[in-house]
Amino acid sequence: NAGVTQTPKFQVLKTGQSMTLQCAQDMNHEYMSWYRQDPGMGLRLIHYSVGAGITDQGEVPNGYNVSRSTTEDFPLRLLSAAPSQTSVYFCASSQRTSGTTDTQYFGPGTRLTVL
Amino acid sequence: AQSVSQHNHHVILSEAASLELGCNYSYGGTVNLFWYVQYPGQHLQLLLKYFSGDPLVKGIKGFEAEFIKSKFSFNLRKPSVQWSDTAEYFCAPHDYKLSFGAGYNQAGTALIFGKGTTLSVSS
Repeated sequence: NAGVTQTPKFQVLKTGQSMTLQCAQDMNHEYMSWYRQDPGMGLRLIHYSVGAGITDQGEVPNGYNVSRSTTEDFPLRLLSAAPSQTSVYFCASSQRTSGTTDTQYFGPGTRLTVL
Repeated sequence: AQSVSQHNHHVILSEAASLELGCNYSYGGTVNLFWYVQYPGQHLQLLLKYFSGDPLVKGIKGFEAEFIKSKFSFNLRKPSVQWSDTAEYFCAPHDYKLSFGAGYNQAGTALIFGKGTTLSVSS
């Protein structure tokens, strides 16, 4: 299994540009989520999904859109990039088990710079 | 909603010193707790987790953590650190979330991360 994969690894955007960060997992996990990591802030939840067709907002959803058309993929879209979105983005997945919280597996991250 | 506090922002130790990193969370109900580690240039890896049972949990690389419900704490410990333990450490309690879609309820979970503690170990 490849686990959780993310593309691209690095990206530089200009303010106002749009782009999609890709995330895929091959573990048949139901639950997927996106976090951003900023110095001194830890990881903050952007959006998450409990299954195909179901998404919801996390702590910092503004400026980001997500969709979940398949179990495997959970892309994160920036519609109009802003310098405040400069960050490292991590995708994670877990096998949701009723009544318990399973371990989340993280992708390698995408380092995004918005100029 | 769940919140978490990590008391130490940056810890500097010499090899063989003992380590304890503090973590406190806010939600008093059933809670699952995790410690993740991020080595320089790498992504997050699970160090250990607590779901239920013995409040003293052991993880990889000699790390352990103790769940003390009365103190809302889940402190990470290691008796003797090594240079290779230099990394950033995150405490992460889960935050139980409900999500609605397609006419049915589905329960999902998300981790709420602390701001992290940077551990620097000198040889």
